[in-house]
Amino acid sequence: AQSVSQHNHHVILSEAASLELGCNYSYGGTVNLFWYVQYPGQHLQLLLKYFSGDPLVKGIKGFEAEFIKSKFSFNLRKPSVQWSDTAEYFCAVSPFSGGYNKLIFGAGTRLAVHP
Amino acid sequence: ETGVTQTPRHLVMGMTNKKSLKCEQHLGHNAMYWYKQSAKKPLELMFVYSLEERVENNSVPSRFSPECPNSSHLFLHLHTLQPEDSALYLCASSQDTTGSYEQYFGPGTRLTVT
Repeated sequence: AQSVSQHNHHVILSEAASLELGCNYSYGGTVNLFWYVQYPGQHLQLLLKYFSGDPLVKGIKGFEAEFIKSKFSFNLRKPSVQWSDTAEYFCAVSPFSGGYNKLIFGAGTRLAVHP
Repeated sequence: ETGVTQTPRHLVMGMTNKKSLKCEQHLGHNAMYWYKQSAKKPLELMFVYSLEERVENNSVPSRFSPECPNSSHLFLHLHTLQPEDSALYLCASSQDTTGSYEQYFGPGTRLTVT
């Protein structure tokens, strides 16, 4: 079955620390990849997405993610986190199979950034 | 952000009640979705509608009944729920269901079944 695995359920960092959140998926074909973020009390919103082209994609608020096809990974990174980055982060994969393509989410990683 | 709205935001219902969740999207999208978000579990896709036709029914119990009267509105009718159905129910919309467009989410309805 297709699945998305996020390695860390909880991450605690101090401000200015670097962040990397892991995401791996199980599907051998073409995929579209997404990172969504849910700030406390707010709705899920798109952070960045990869469809094709440069495997290093940049999103909002200084986030970036790298698609490594050989590793089935799409890790999220930020060089220096801020307190306002405290949120839950969800990796999602849409396997391309023609017609209806569902979005499969990981379980999420809860990030807490301390001042 | 008012692209996708959901009402009510909070709902407490007994196991014998009947209630409905409402979702409205103001983005001109053709696809709408219901998800269930439970603690420590991935978002679970429940239903997908494309141009008002259901294209996915992800093994959801019949006590959940969706309705899509037009491409802007989506309902989830609830009856004889169980306590384990307590969760955050999210509605989303996208341009279409090809997976080539991001999904826009509403704020969710926090449901508690007593």
